[in-house]
Amino acid sequence: GESVGLHLPTLSVQEGDNSIINCAYSNSASDYFIWYKQESGKGPQFIIDIRSNMDKRQGQRVTVLLNKTVKHLSLQIAATQPGDSAVYFCAEKRAGGTSYGKLTFGQGTILTVHP
Amino acid sequence: EAQVTQNPRYLITVTGKKLTVTCSQNMNHEYMSWYRQDPGLGLRQIYYSMNVEVTDKGDVPEGYKVSRKEKRNFPLILESPSPNQTSLYFCASSPWTGSNQPQHFGDGTRLSIL
Repeated sequence: GESVGLHLPTLSVQEGDNSIINCAYSNSASDYFIWYKQESGKGPQFIIDIRSNMDKRQGQRVTVLLNKTVKHLSLQIAATQPGDSAVYFCAEKRAGGTSYGKLTFGQGTILTVHP
Repeated sequence: EAQVTQNPRYLITVTGKKLTVTCSQNMNHEYMSWYRQDPGLGLRQIYYSMNVEVTDKGDVPEGYKVSRKEKRNFPLILESPSPNQTSLYFCASSPWTGSNQPQHFGDGTRLSIL
C-alpha cells in the first residue's frame, strides 16, 4: 500500500495475473477519490473514480473498492498487461473547506508487470 | 483532442532569471491548478484557479505567481527562480460543475535551476 516516505511501495506481477494496489487515506471528510496512472515522462492519467456514497465501482479491467470504516481504497486490475506498468496514485478530495477542488495525493505505488 | 498543453517541456536556467511556464486547456474547464512533483513528496499543489481572475494559494505557493486572464490559459511564473524550485511541474484542469470531476493533467515541465 501507499505510505509517506522516500521509497515508493512496489508491486511486481506476472502478465495475466490480477493486481491489487492499496491506499490509505487520511481524512474521513473526503467525499471523492480518484486513481491515476503515471507512465514515465507523462502526466498522471485518470483511471477511475468513486464517490463516498459508493463502496465499489467497476471500469474496463479495473475495479475500485472503498472502505470508509478503515479509510482504505484499493485498485484492482484484472489480467494485468505489460502496458499497465506505471506508478499508480490515489487522490482524495475533501468536501467543502477553503481549497475547493484540491486533490491530496498519496505517494504512489510502482507496478511492474513481467511478460 | 481534449488536452492540457504545457510549454516548455524541459528547461535548464540559472538562479534569478525570470521564467514562465505556460498551460493551456481546450476543454473549457473552469478549474485549473499547478502541482510540483518531487521524489518522496508526491504531487503538491502550488496554486489553483476556480475561474477567470480567481486564483488562490495551494500548499507550496512561495516563490511562484500565477494569472488567469483567460479561461483556457493559466501560466506559472517564477520571478526569481532558485535551485529549490528544480522539480517536475504539472498543470491540471477540470470542469467546475459543483459535482466531483477528475482533473486532467498535462505531460509536465521539467525545470532545472542552476
